[in-house]
Amino acid sequence: NAGVTQTPKFQVLKTGQSMTLQCAQDMNHEYMSWYRQDPGMGLRLIHYSVGAGITDQGEVPNGYNVSRSTTEDFPLRLLSAAPSQTSVYFCASSRTGGGNTEAFFGQGTRLTVV
Amino acid sequence: TQLLEQSPQFLSIQEGENLTVYCNSSSVFSSLQWYRQEPGEGPVLLVTVVTGGEVKKLKRLTFQFGDARKDSSLHITAAQPGDTGLYLCAGVLSRNQFYFGTGTSLTVIP
Repeated sequence: NAGVTQTPKFQVLKTGQSMTLQCAQDMNHEYMSWYRQDPGMGLRLIHYSVGAGITDQGEVPNGYNVSRSTTEDFPLRLLSAAPSQTSVYFCASSRTGGGNTEAFFGQGTRLTVV
Repeated sequence: TQLLEQSPQFLSIQEGENLTVYCNSSSVFSSLQWYRQEPGEGPVLLVTVVTGGEVKKLKRLTFQFGDARKDSSLHITAAQPGDTGLYLCAGVLSRNQFYFGTGTSLTVIP
């Protein structure tokens, strides 16, 4: 029962470097999303997808790109890392984007940009 | 400012005490959810409330959805150390944007 798998679990980047955070789910969920979690701010939505080939911006999309070529995978790309992107990143999936459906989360990626 | 504001932000209580966490917004939600997150893990769903005024009980946890569907509360009776964690409310407004609250960090001291 893998659920939602995120890799890596920890990452340190230098300012200006790029990287991709991986997210995969094996529940055949249509809806996937990326959040960042900072102290005192809960989870803030970065990007989301309602199905393969469809993505949209959330609350804090600047500096991040996403794509959804398959139902299973939803990678998050940091184009040019900045210290302000130091955070814990969570990927989630749910059957739909509706508020009645349960969101399943990965274990998170702790990213530090120096 | 965030769409869903929670209070208090931090709560430290003795085992056996009762507590209430609040989730407030100026927007109307079709439903609200409560999640609990433990250190190093992602949030896990506790409950979904759908109808204004609805009350749901999960053992010692009681969840209420406000009549106007703009706010919710979580009440824990006789808190135990196992209740320690970060509690998050969440809701969907439009266009599939799923918003989370600012979170309440609860510590229950044995």
